[in-house]
Formats: sequence, C-alpha cells, structure tokens
Amino acid sequence: GAVVSQHPSRVICKSGTSVKIECRSLDFQATTMFWYRQFPKQSLMLMATSNEGSKATYEQGVEKDKFLINHASLTLSTLTVTSAHPEDSSFYICSARGTRSSYEQYFGPGTRLTVT
Amino acid sequence: QKEVEQNSGPLSVPEGAIASLNCTYSDRGSQSFFWYRQYSGKSPELIMFIYSNGDKEDGRFTAQLNKASQYVSLLIRDSQPSDSATYLCAAGGGNKLVFGAGTILRVKS
Repeated sequence: GAVVSQHPSRVICKSGTSVKIECRSLDFQATTMFWYRQFPKQSLMLMATSNEGSKATYEQGVEKDKFLINHASLTLSTLTVTSAHPEDSSFYICSARGTRSSYEQYFGPGTRLTVT
Repeated sequence: QKEVEQNSGPLSVPEGAIASLNCTYSDRGSQSFFWYRQYSGKSPELIMFIYSNGDKEDGRFTAQLNKASQYVSLLIRDSQPSDSATYLCAAGGGNKLVFGAGTILRVKS
C-alpha cells in the first residue's frame, strides 16, 4: 500500500517553455500532497502544500505564479513550472499523506527536470 | 525557525555491525518522527516512524525517541552493503515535516 507515482520521471525542455508534472496516489486517497525540490547533494526543500479542492500554500521564497499547483482530486496533484529557466533544473518530488490523523508522507519516485 | 540536525557523515561501518544514526530537533511541539532512506538519484523511502517515547522495532531497524532530550535515533542491526544510502530524519507537528540534511551511511563488505 501507500504507492505514489509521478510522471514524467525525466524531462528536458528548452528555456521559456512550461512543464507539467503529475503526482498520483495509486492505492489511497491523499487529503494532502506536498511538492519538494532537491538540488544535488542537498536536502529536500518543501515548495508547497496542497489540499484537495483548495489553493496551495507556498513556502516563503517560492513563486506561486511560476510554480502552479493544482490538486483537483484526492488522487491527483499537478505542478506546472512555467517559463522554465536553467536555474529551475532540479529533482522535483511529490509526497502524499493519506488521512488527517496520520503524519506519514509517502514519496513519489521524483521527476528530474533539465532546462536547456 | 524549526530545525532538524543530523551529522552529515559519512558514517562507515563494517558489514554485520550496528549502524547508529542520530538526530536532534528544535521544535518541542513536534509530535511525529520519521526516518527515510534515500539512495543516490532516487526519492526518499519511509522506513520507520515513531510517535511515542521509547523504542520501536521493525526487523533490523529500531527507532528511539526521547522527547525530553529532543533526540531521535535509528539503529540498523546486521548492516548490509545495500543499506548504504543517505538517511533523512524528519519531525512533524502539524501538516508539514521538517527534514534534516541527512547522514550518509556506508557499509563496507
């Protein structure tokens, strides 16, 4: 149980284009999903928290207009990196939490974004 | 600022030995504590969580929590080369988890 998938696993795009990353909880309903970014040899940085049917809560310093998050259903959240630039190249990982009474987060396999 | 501190390592142990990983946290309001394992280039995998003071055992893994000292540890018995990874400690008190920077563990065969 507690399987989270992400798609795509790897994407290369040109500077100025937008990229959409999907995160799905496969065997449970995720009341809350989280989006993290991880640069090489660094720890996870939380970008935003999204609850199904409501607007995402962004961490300080994360541009909400650049990183668009949609959590339209209990099993799907999407992150769109708009007008991507080379400095946005990173490992983007989503996680999902199943119920409000549990704190465990289960991570997707991640998406490696390279902006050329 | 809520913080979780870990020694970056690397911690090197011989195969078959016990690996001891430690973590401290600053927020006394934290209620839940997690250990994740992350292999290079992969996403974190949850291996243990603990909510109450004391020990919690699962197979070769034992998590220990001491809320008075704000200290969490993970013991890995009979360490295997496949245990070589970065271990992330995380503390949560509400909706979010705060992650430490991770400890690199190397198990030498």
